Amino acid sequence: RKEVEQDPGPFNVPEGATVAFNCTYSNSASQSFFWYRQDCRKEPKLLMSVYSSGNEDGRFTAQLNRASQYISLLIRDSKLSDSATYLCVVNEQAAGNKLTFGGGTRVLVKP
Amino acid sequence: GAVVSQHPSWVICKSGTSVKIECRSLDFQATTMFWYRQFPKQSLMLMATSNEGSKATYEQGVEKDKFLINHASLTLSTLTVTSAHPEDSSFYICSAVDINNQPQHFGDGTRLSIL
Repeated sequence: RKEVEQDPGPFNVPEGATVAFNCTYSNSASQSFFWYRQDCRKEPKLLMSVYSSGNEDGRFTAQLNRASQYISLLIRDSKLSDSATYLCVVNEQAAGNKLTFGGGTRVLVKP
Repeated sequence: GAVVSQHPSWVICKSGTSVKIECRSLDFQATTMFWYRQFPKQSLMLMATSNEGSKATYEQGVEKDKFLINHASLTLSTLTVTSAHPEDSSFYICSAVDINNQPQHFGDGTRLSIL
């Protein structure tokens, strides 16, 4: 079983619609969670950290469910520029802050 | 925000060549730097963790004699791919953290193509 698993997609989303997807992690001792965005042939860029109480940043909402060991990302009012691969990232603080990446979920927003 | 610079951004060279990639933290002191590799349509895979002034810690399956890492200062780490072969062609990305450890800031990556 992979340490961090994501639905690879692609999620084809009409412009203006809402899309949500999850990521599951296997290590129950994981402490920190992030969503990164990666455009084709580019480096990952931090989208948002994920806090236990859930957090929102503009059109993006992240949730953490420790009991079920998953995190989610919801994008409201999708823009064409939201098309990217979204990487779920878990920080194994006990392992020297090693980041474990999910395989990414590809989102395609279409007009 | 924190900036990590990686150089070169693109390398094409012949098989057997050694290639050095630099990763610099421009506006903070990077106590730890990480080197990743990403093959097409795959996720980032951590190759090694580098702490300033000490030997790098390599992930299982990564040959330390082939991928030489030097982290001689708090702003610079280098990855040298020695005697590169076509199977080493990949996207190499570094990241860095300061003493507060989060989050990691990524360099813009180096696309290595070995002919």
